[in-house]
Amino acid sequence: GAVVSQHPSWVICKSGTSVKIECRSLDFQATTMFWYRQFPKQSLMLMATSNEGSKATYEQGVEKDKFLINHASLTLSTLTVTSAHPEDSSFYICSANNGQTHNQPQHFGDGTRLSIL
Amino acid sequence: LAKTTQPISMDSYEGQEVNITCSHNNIATNDYITWYQQFPSQGPRFIIQGYKTKVTNEVASLFIPADRKSSTLSLPRVSLSDTAVYYCLVGDINSPGFQKLVFGTGTRLLVSP
Repeated sequence: GAVVSQHPSWVICKSGTSVKIECRSLDFQATTMFWYRQFPKQSLMLMATSNEGSKATYEQGVEKDKFLINHASLTLSTLTVTSAHPEDSSFYICSANNGQTHNQPQHFGDGTRLSIL
Repeated sequence: LAKTTQPISMDSYEGQEVNITCSHNNIATNDYITWYQQFPSQGPRFIIQGYKTKVTNEVASLFIPADRKSSTLSLPRVSLSDTAVYYCLVGDINSPGFQKLVFGTGTRLLVSP
């Protein structure tokens, strides 16, 4: 079945560092991917919609200059957390679906746990 | 997407059947009901999706009454590995906007020996 892969699965870095997270659709093309953030014991919160070949669409309250999204190919979207600080520590998850097949559900990556020291 | 309401948590024992109900009073005509399962430190995993009556697959059943204002996810004979958070989502799967999933609080299921 459709698979979405995220890399890395875990990142620990110092405050002020920029961190890039990759999201890949392994056996299908995705013109649209989605990025979520999840804090402990809370639900997933949508951050932005990644659009292949165009600018990402950010949800209200999400800083586009802080969370840079690039969707340069039909199988890869990247999320870069710029100048990360401890409050950016969270679990980041991406999703995509095979829009070419009717009624396909969203498939999620296994997430990236980001810890900023 | 239609707002959903689920119990915050449920407890069960191995071998029992678990039924998790989701309320979606404002469901629209074109909306489908989709359930996801999430284990700690993993992304959500699709379980089942339906529009009306009953849908069954190898892992669960989904019961939807005629008025579609609620739905029940049924997990037969749960095991310890079914301990997870279960999310109910409602929306028009044929709409591009449905791809942008809005998650509610989910139901935290704890299965004990």
